[in-house]
Amino acid sequence: KAGVTQTPRYLIKTRGQQVTLSCSPISGHRSVSWYQQTPGQGLQFLFEYFSETQRNKGNFPGRFSGRQFSNSRSEMNVSTLELGDSALYLCASSLDGTSNEQFFGPGTRLTVL
Amino acid sequence: QQPVQSPQAVILREGEDAVINCSSSKALYSVHWYRQKHGEAPVFLMILLKGGEQKGHEKISASFNEKKQQSSLYLTASQLSYSGTYFCGSPGSGNTGKLIFGQGTTLQVKP
Repeated sequence: KAGVTQTPRYLIKTRGQQVTLSCSPISGHRSVSWYQQTPGQGLQFLFEYFSETQRNKGNFPGRFSGRQFSNSRSEMNVSTLELGDSALYLCASSLDGTSNEQFFGPGTRLTVL
Repeated sequence: QQPVQSPQAVILREGEDAVINCSSSKALYSVHWYRQKHGEAPVFLMILLKGGEQKGHEKISASFNEKKQQSSLYLTASQLSYSGTYFCGSPGSGNTGKLIFGQGTTLQVKP
């Protein structure tokens, strides 16, 4: 069974630009969660999508958005990038929520210059 | 509310044991444990879904005390491969894909 894949793996952008990250969950998994990981703040929840609907949202500004497609693939978008958005963005998939294990993808390392 | 992990860091020799604690100021309905090696994604270790539950996988086990709102991860006879950062996570609300993670405990096992 293929694992969670994320593209791209590395990204360099400049302030003010926008970026789209992609996540393909494990086949059959309907829940996709996104996390931001930084040395100072640790692993922070961004949002979760389940059956194409945002089911949960963390405490991030509206510049961070996402969506999920009918095949459960998910994208997250960050607009008007700031230096502080530099981080490792991880997505995790699970069958339907937190009563099941979450499988993390390798992450996208975003650097904002 | 973010779970609090202790200790923040621990250094062991191969073969020694370690305990990592995770506590919360609010009710814990379940606890997830993950290990992340440097430069890699977090890897699922185990999930405890109800109070009193204990689980084990090889020499790594965990317990969950729902009343005390805490969980502990036990690493027995540690191996070099156990090095990494360990995170506990608790659900944000109900059975959804939102996990709130502790700040992590860095474990280093030396030969």
